[in-house]
Amino acid sequence: QQQVKQSPQSLIVQKGGISIINCAYENTAFDYFPWYQQFPGKGPALLIAIRPDVSEKKEGRFTISFNKSAKQFSLHIMDSQPGDSATYFCAASSDNNNDMRFGAGTRLTVKP
Amino acid sequence: GAGVSQTPSNKVTEKGKYVELRCDPISGHTALYWYRQSLGQGPEFLIYFQGTGAADDSGLPNDRFFAVRPEGSVSTLKIQRTERGDSAVYLCASSPTRVRTGELFFGEGSRLTVL
Repeated sequence: QQQVKQSPQSLIVQKGGISIINCAYENTAFDYFPWYQQFPGKGPALLIAIRPDVSEKKEGRFTISFNKSAKQFSLHIMDSQPGDSATYFCAASSDNNNDMRFGAGTRLTVKP
Repeated sequence: GAGVSQTPSNKVTEKGKYVELRCDPISGHTALYWYRQSLGQGPEFLIYFQGTGAADDSGLPNDRFFAVRPEGSVSTLKIQRTERGDSAVYLCASSPTRVRTGELFFGEGSRLTVL
């Protein structure tokens, strides 16, 4: 069922560094690309999302870069903090589908 | 409460037993989704409700799984003759509109363990 491939599986970054997580998708009908953040024992929560009419979206320390021709998008976390330590999921959906397809997740650890 | 509420938070059962998992969505949200999350994986779509009807149940793995939403609010996911492979966290999410691309509000999940 997986149509969104995410890498890396795990990532360790020093405090203040940049965290980069990548996703690739297959279905060209996808037109909404969110990133969800999940802490242990909690449900995923929307972090930031982008639609394919723009190549970049920034909200605070979080930026999505989108490459429509390559069918890839990435999450950049600037000035990473220990509180950012969580699992991050990329996802994709379209008006043609009723479901949102999630990547397998990246476990981010930010060391103090 | 303000968020999506799921009960029980943890359920341990024996192989072959029947289980029910409940989801209480955010008030006024018409769309409701069930997802299953296995260890180390992303959420996997099971079923989508728009109002009272199951608009899309294509993600249900087999006929042992069934879900209802009789009054368009609370939903129950029902699993018959549970198998060890059903062990996972079952997540419920709701959304305020019919728009299929937009934010999903997730509950904390029900962790099911089948012994």
